[in-house]
Amino acid sequence: QKEVEQNSGPLSVPEGAIASLNCTYSDRGSQSFFWYRQYSGKSPELIMFIYSNGDKEDGRFTAQLNKASQYVSLLIRDSQPSDSATYLCAVNTRTGRRALTFGSGTRLQVQP
Amino acid sequence: DAGVIQSPRHEVTEMGQEVTLRCKPISGHDYLFWYRQTMMRGLELLIYFNNNVPIDDSGMPEDRFSAKMPNASFSTLKIQPSEPRDSAVYFCASSLTSNTEAFFGQGTRLTVV
Repeated sequence: QKEVEQNSGPLSVPEGAIASLNCTYSDRGSQSFFWYRQYSGKSPELIMFIYSNGDKEDGRFTAQLNKASQYVSLLIRDSQPSDSATYLCAVNTRTGRRALTFGSGTRLQVQP
Repeated sequence: DAGVIQSPRHEVTEMGQEVTLRCKPISGHDYLFWYRQTMMRGLELLIYFNNNVPIDDSGMPEDRFSAKMPNASFSTLKIQPSEPRDSAVYFCASSLTSNTEAFFGQGTRLTVV
């Protein structure tokens, strides 16, 4: 089982719709969770982080964390073509390797 | 701060040659990470340092790979000898603590022919 799993996509949504990106993780000791966006040929850039169960909102982005289900998601409201990118989920664990472990990413396509 | 700075941006080398990738982390960050990204394997952690000390190098694929951090503002990743399967984008990242976000450099695209 991979430590951090994401559906590779592509996830295709029309402009203005809500895009929902999901991520599951295997280590129950995980304590911090991050969403990165990566445009083709560019480096990952941080969108949001979340540490506690529940929702965290920042502009059009909402991160959701459910530690009991080992599940973290990212919602993008009013999706724009400029949101088309690969979204990487990253998890940091309290034990063992104390560095971000990344999922393989979900490619999002927002259709104009 | 200019962010994490990596050099070179692109490197093309012949199989068997030595390759050295360089990284300058964000000033004040105590953690430095080297990642490798390929289509097949995604973003993999190779090694990370805390206060210039290597903490976990279990992701280094084999003895051909080595990394150093002689001071807080400079790190190198060396591949000797290089092989075509080492072709990938290598990212350096830094963070304040082990639990905060990592900031990535622009990456070095390595092609071994």
